[in-house]
Amino acid sequence: QSALTQPASVSGSPGQSITISCTGTSSDVGSYDLVSWYQQNPGKAPRPIIYEATKRPSGVSDRFSGSKSGNTASLTISGLQAEDEADYYCFSYAGSGIWVFGGGTMVAVL
Amino acid sequence: QVQLQESGPGLVKPSETLSLTCSVSGGSISPNYWSWIRQPPGKGLEWIGYIYYSGTTSYNPSLKSRITMSVDSSTNQLSLKLTSVTAADSAIYFCARYHCSGNACQYFDSWGQGTRVTVSS
Repeated sequence: QSALTQPASVSGSPGQSITISCTGTSSDVGSYDLVSWYQQNPGKAPRPIIYEATKRPSGVSDRFSGSKSGNTASLTISGLQAEDEADYYCFSYAGSGIWVFGGGTMVAVL
Repeated sequence: QVQLQESGPGLVKPSETLSLTCSVSGGSISPNYWSWIRQPPGKGLEWIGYIYYSGTTSYNPSLKSRITMSVDSSTNQLSLKLTSVTAADSAIYFCARYHCSGNACQYFDSWGQGTRVTVSS
């Protein structure tokens, strides 16, 4: 099972919107809505920000939104803030009890 | 609020077996799914596998031949064993709980802080 494909880095200015893509295959992202996104700050455990492709866990800012089309899921951060600078990972069910992470995307706030 | 705490030897010799424990507090092992995830230094996250409180497991195919996960409901602990380790197994190892509802698990809602493991002679 190969890792999902994410851009290595994405950057934006404060207040802007950025989108991170997560491309899989018809066997994982394309077949299930069980895509979640995690934010990880240096030295910390990841924190969930999106689940089931579009839903936000309680307490997560509505500046984070998710979508999915075909084999690609996307995370959009609106109104970019300095505190959003972190690594972001997508995670998807791939069938038969197997799950797979994306390679991760570093978000820089310019 | 459930809390997870990983523990284990920080240093393991090549070819030996890595053994880690995840202690769960503030909640019960059952009836949940639990997972192990690792992150090599400076790299991304890798799903190692999951275990249901009943003992049902699923492992990453790339690691399957070397992994054993188990659960002890009496002590509220999970364990991970990885055999024949090499330098490539050096990583921070996390345990996490799946948030599940209906017939599916959706995401990891609780994580441990992680424990660093270095494989070196």
